[in-house]
Amino acid sequence: DTGVSQDPRHKITKRGQNVTFRCDPISEHNRLYWYRQTLGQGPEFLTYFQNEAQLEKSRLLSDRFSAERPKGSFSTLEIQRTEQGDSAMYLCASSLVGRYNEQFFGPGTRLTVL
Amino acid sequence: RKEVEQDPGPFNVPEGATVAFNCTYSNSASQSFFWYRQDCRKEPKLLMSVYSSGNEDGRFTAQLNRASQYISLLIRDSKLSDSATYLCVVTTGNTGKLIFGQGTTLQVKP
Repeated sequence: DTGVSQDPRHKITKRGQNVTFRCDPISEHNRLYWYRQTLGQGPEFLTYFQNEAQLEKSRLLSDRFSAERPKGSFSTLEIQRTEQGDSAMYLCASSLVGRYNEQFFGPGTRLTVL
Repeated sequence: RKEVEQDPGPFNVPEGATVAFNCTYSNSASQSFFWYRQDCRKEPKLLMSVYSSGNEDGRFTAQLNRASQYISLLIRDSKLSDSATYLCVVTTGNTGKLIFGQGTTLQVKP
């Protein structure tokens, strides 16, 4: 257990529904990252926060996706009008500021869109 | 072309074997380099950072060649517990965001 938690661990939904995932980072970590991983691929960066500010978003993050970190602590990732192509593992990671600081990953939320 | 490329394998080796994984990256501005390990259906975990001078951690040795934009990982005396996917990772800029390769799967057999 790295200290990063994610909820839920698994989510099955029907196409067109909205889903929301939560990530609780290690408490003193000011950076929080979201990644998406599909089968047989490495994780791909989606977005990151430094404290409550969302500083970068990947082109992978279409306008159906929104992420928040309202008080600089936990974060949520919402997907609206889910599509089958959204099926993936959504990973959250946290770290301290600094490019050499290790990112600690949560266990992920596995999303299946039927 | 992917920013970080790895041979996906799988590499099937007997216990005790030495196995080497290679990785290339396309962005010459990449600044930090890592190997992560990911067990089946689990989250990635940092295995080791990679430096130009090379670094060793027990049975694991990592090398970086900036001129060739090439990173390697050598595992000596493979154990059954080394079976996992090994992810080559780089960062660029100060955001700390990780750019992953596809991963190389290692299966160590008795």
